[in-house]
Amino acid sequence: DTGVSQDPRHKITKRGQNVTFRCDPISEHNRLYWYRQTLGQGPEFLTYFQNEAQLEKSRLLSDRFSAERPKGSFSTLEIQRTEQGDSAMYLCASNLAGFYEQYFGPGTRLTVT
Amino acid sequence: GNSVTQMEGPVTLSEEAFLTINCTYTATGYPSLFWYVQYPGEGLQLLLKATKADDKGSNKGFEATYRKETTSFHLEKGSVQVSDSAVYFCALSDQGYGGSQGNLIFGKGTKLSVKP
Repeated sequence: DTGVSQDPRHKITKRGQNVTFRCDPISEHNRLYWYRQTLGQGPEFLTYFQNEAQLEKSRLLSDRFSAERPKGSFSTLEIQRTEQGDSAMYLCASNLAGFYEQYFGPGTRLTVT
Repeated sequence: GNSVTQMEGPVTLSEEAFLTINCTYTATGYPSLFWYVQYPGEGLQLLLKATKADDKGSNKGFEATYRKETTSFHLEKGSVQVSDSAVYFCALSDQGYGGSQGNLIFGKGTKLSVKP
């Protein structure tokens, strides 16, 4: 069991650039979640998938954010036209639908300069 | 909407001291409750959970009881160790698609430092 992995671990970008993050869940997990965590705060939900279907989206997920899970395995989170306020840790988690525990990846830390 | 409030830190204790981190929640329905821990440089890990009223979750000497009457899920440990130094997050499960367990709603976290 390799756990949830995220790539890259760190990303520094200039304001206005687009960035894409990848999450590989635990292989048998059909649910995948994205959260955002800013300094001194708890993680905030962004969106989640069951298989390839995006079931819920938070109001935090503005039009500049898009997430996909095309084959029900890995997922990507893209941020277009990044802003300094997007600087945060982006966390991915996965589980099996119906089970309570979510398994978190190490996160991708985004810094927008 | 649903929310979680936990005591602000940082909390600094001496080794072998008693720990309590308060957590209260607001929710419709009957959410499941969790404590997650984040050790320095590591990802979030589930510490313990409780899925219904009066359930007690326990792990690694930590305990928390789901109190519906006071909407609380306080974390306790009788004797903390230096290795318990971490950030602790209280969370509840929001109702998801079709009434199933959905995403987690977290408190702001409480940083615990244990001195030898």
